[in-house]
Amino acid sequence: DQQVKQNSPSLSVQEGRISILNCDYTNSMFDYFLWYKKYPAEGPTFLISISSIKDKNEDGRFTVFLNKSAKHLSLHIVPSQPGDSAVYFCAASEEETSGSRLTFGEGTQLTVNP
Amino acid sequence: EAQVTQNPRYLITVTGKKLTVTCSQNMNHEYMSWYRQDPGLGLRQIYYSMNVEVTDKGDVPEGYKVSRKEKRNFPLILESPSPNQTSLYFCATRTRAVPRSYEQYFGPGTRLTVT
Repeated sequence: DQQVKQNSPSLSVQEGRISILNCDYTNSMFDYFLWYKKYPAEGPTFLISISSIKDKNEDGRFTVFLNKSAKHLSLHIVPSQPGDSAVYFCAASEEETSGSRLTFGEGTQLTVNP
Repeated sequence: EAQVTQNPRYLITVTGKKLTVTCSQNMNHEYMSWYRQDPGLGLRQIYYSMNVEVTDKGDVPEGYKVSRKEKRNFPLILESPSPNQTSLYFCATRTRAVPRSYEQYFGPGTRLTVT
């Protein structure tokens, strides 16, 4: 039972264009969402997060949008750069568990072509 | 430098031979956790610890043990490894001092192969 799903295993975009990575969840108790980036042979690194009381959070080139009614979140990267090529994971948590349980999606491999 | 270290980084072993993967952090974080990453499944939580001497099961705890005797260390123990435990393992930590900050810091990973 995959509670967090990233339906696109891969995404390819041109440098300078927008990258949009999508994530869907089924557990309505999730109220905090995070995006992680992972390069080969390294551990995931935190990118950006959003609480369920917001619908948008922005940090430089990265913006996360949350649509609670659709149980959908997306990560926008503008403009995309070759160094953004990595696997991106979305993750979700319930405040009730004090963030002790993170549920991850399968990941999306983003390739940004020069 | 704040870091999470894991040892070994790579390990090839045989079925049934007990092994321990160590995880150590220098950030004084209360929370530590272990994940495994498998193709098509993302990262799945094995065990976590909210503080010293407090551990709890994640989503896939079968075949694993952990202990938290010191704040900085959180070893993952496979008493009798089997081939289905071949995976990429990550240790992660976070502070509980910041309310509603669930950002976790990950180690570099341990690639385990059980033959």
